[in-house]
Amino acid sequence: QSVLTQPPSVSGAPGQRVTISCTGSSSNIGTGYDVHWYQQLPGTAPKLLIYGNSNRPSGVPDRFSGSKSGTSASLAITGLQAEDEADYYCQSYDSSLSGYVVFGGGTKLTVL
Amino acid sequence: QVTLRESGPALVKPTQTLTLTCTFSGFSLSSSGMCVSWIRQPPGKALEWLAVIDWDDDKYYSTSLKTRLTISKDTSKNQVVLTMTNMDPVDTATYYCARIIDYGSGTYIDHWGQGTLVTVSS
Repeated sequence: QSVLTQPPSVSGAPGQRVTISCTGSSSNIGTGYDVHWYQQLPGTAPKLLIYGNSNRPSGVPDRFSGSKSGTSASLAITGLQAEDEADYYCQSYDSSLSGYVVFGGGTKLTVL
Repeated sequence: QVTLRESGPALVKPTQTLTLTCTFSGFSLSSSGMCVSWIRQPPGKALEWLAVIDWDDDKYYSTSLKTRLTISKDTSKNQVVLTMTNMDPVDTATYYCARIIDYGSGTYIDHWGQGTLVTVSS
């Protein structure tokens, strides 16, 4: 049972827009801690996709964007491409015991 | 250029102790805000955070695994070591070493190692 809740799967056709939600609580996202997103392509290590709710590291296409409101956050991917098919994880900090890093359960994005 | 590399046994027996070493370069673990963490991922499952050590030698552990984990660092060698006692087949996973940035509004992982698969089996 992950501290942050994500949908197990989402899908979309090439060129479409998809969103992935990440729901937390008053001890993490709701307290004001930032949300970060990672992309994990098959067989590889995760890669930082969005940090500080909406910031993209150098090299990440602007098709990827993040937002946060209240106790939830979202990752949006526009202009969906086949190479975007991957697992996506949200992450935050939790003020409860041992909450230094808390992850969502991950969302599998399928490009139809 | 920041790099992290995990090393350790690929196979351990149940009840044994696992020792993993993370060797990193491109940053100093003595610099404020720098942390190194261990994260694991069982086959086909989600990421699970295990432990972190920061620039000030503070250590934090996953609540569920706290009694089995020890994290330490050797700043002069640019290494962080994780030990996990009493290994069980459910601990079979890819173990990642990662750099964490601790800033005012939380923490995030900006660099990951490639991961090392550890299988627990007799």
